[in-house]
Amino acid sequence: GAVVSQHPSWVICKSGTSVKIECRSLDFQATTMFWYRQFPKQSLMLMATSNEGSKATYEQGVEKDKFLINHASLTLSTLTVTSAHPEDSSFYICSASAQKILDQPQHFGDGTRLSIL
Amino acid sequence: AQSVSQHNHHVILSEAASLELGCNYSYGGTVNLFWYVQYPGQHLQLLLKYFSGDPLVKGIKGFEAEFIKSKFSFNLRKPSVQWSDTAEYFCAVQFARGYQKVTFGTGTKLQVIP
Repeated sequence: GAVVSQHPSWVICKSGTSVKIECRSLDFQATTMFWYRQFPKQSLMLMATSNEGSKATYEQGVEKDKFLINHASLTLSTLTVTSAHPEDSSFYICSASAQKILDQPQHFGDGTRLSIL
Repeated sequence: AQSVSQHNHHVILSEAASLELGCNYSYGGTVNLFWYVQYPGQHLQLLLKYFSGDPLVKGIKGFEAEFIKSKFSFNLRKPSVQWSDTAEYFCAVQFARGYQKVTFGTGTKLQVIP
């Protein structure tokens, strides 16, 4: 089945640093990738939709300058948390779908646990 | 606003008991419906999906779900649960066909006691 790889799986860093998370589709071309955030005991909240070769579409309340998304190729999207602070600590999950095939479910990565000290 | 509701937050069942998890959404238009499962320490996996056709959908591991349009519901069922079904279950909805954005419910944690 379709595989989505997310790296790193866990990162701990100091407040003020920037952290980059990668999301790769390993065996299919993902024209659309999604970035979610999951707080403890809560559901996934969509942060942004990333389309290859164009600017990401952010959900209401998500800071574009805080969460930089780049989708430079059909197999890679990156999320950079800039100047991270403790309140950015969360579980970040990406998913991918081949948009050219309509009505296809999303395939999820394993997630990245971000802890800001 | 478009939303997805899962009313059962935590369900505890004994093995062989029947399972039904509720999922309701608020939207009058066309929807695609999904159930995802997240086993402890693992990523989300697709359990089953409904796009069109027969409203009774069969998924993996003996799960099924029924789309009742008049009730805006897509409940998940399994006749006899196993200990290995212990996981968190998420209902998800695409609110416009062909548009990839998916909204998730808050999830239901299922605990099956041997």
